[in-house]
Amino acid sequence: GDSVTQMEGPVTLSEEAFLTINCTYTATGYPSLFWYVQYPGEGLQLLLKATKADDKGSNKGFEATYRKETTSFHLEKGSVQVSDSAVYFCALSTSNYGQNFVFGPGTRLSVLP
Amino acid sequence: AAGVIQSPRHLIKEKRETATLKCYPIPRHDTVYWYQQGPGQDPQFLISFYEKMQSDKGSIPDRFSAQQFSDYHSELNMSSLELGDSALYFCASSHTGTGLDEQFFGPGTRLTVL
Repeated sequence: GDSVTQMEGPVTLSEEAFLTINCTYTATGYPSLFWYVQYPGEGLQLLLKATKADDKGSNKGFEATYRKETTSFHLEKGSVQVSDSAVYFCALSTSNYGQNFVFGPGTRLSVLP
Repeated sequence: AAGVIQSPRHLIKEKRETATLKCYPIPRHDTVYWYQQGPGQDPQFLISFYEKMQSDKGSIPDRFSAQQFSDYHSELNMSSLELGDSALYFCASSHTGTGLDEQFFGPGTRLTVL
């Protein structure tokens, strides 16, 4: 079945450090790829997405490029802030007809001032 | 912009009781999804509905049932509650009819079973 693998957390960085959270996937179809963020005590918020190979999703300084050849969708940010502390979930969807998402296990990021 | 609404936000029940969670999707969204997120875990898909019909089923226990009504809101009914049902339950909606597969999540209902 479809699956998403993320790097193990927690990840602890100092403010203004460079962030990379690795995400790789296995899918039988041609998936759309997403990064969701969950702040403490809140629901999931879409951070960015990409729907086809070589697409780059970007939002709030975060970027991720859909790499079909390596089945990856790594999340990057050049300079993290304390407010970026959250849990980040990589997810895929292989159908646009009422199909569910498959989430990765999540990576907790803590940014220290 | 309108978002997905879930009620209640918090719910405390005792073992063997029943609970009903409600989800109001974004206007004009035709698909609703339910997810369960245990403590420190990733969201697990339970069930989804497209145009009021069940479209996909995940790891939903037999003790749970759900439906989508004519106004597109959905309810998740949980019976014979167990301690392990304590979790955050998310509802998400999407406008599948246009081929977009982006899901918008509600804030979740935190269920605590004592």
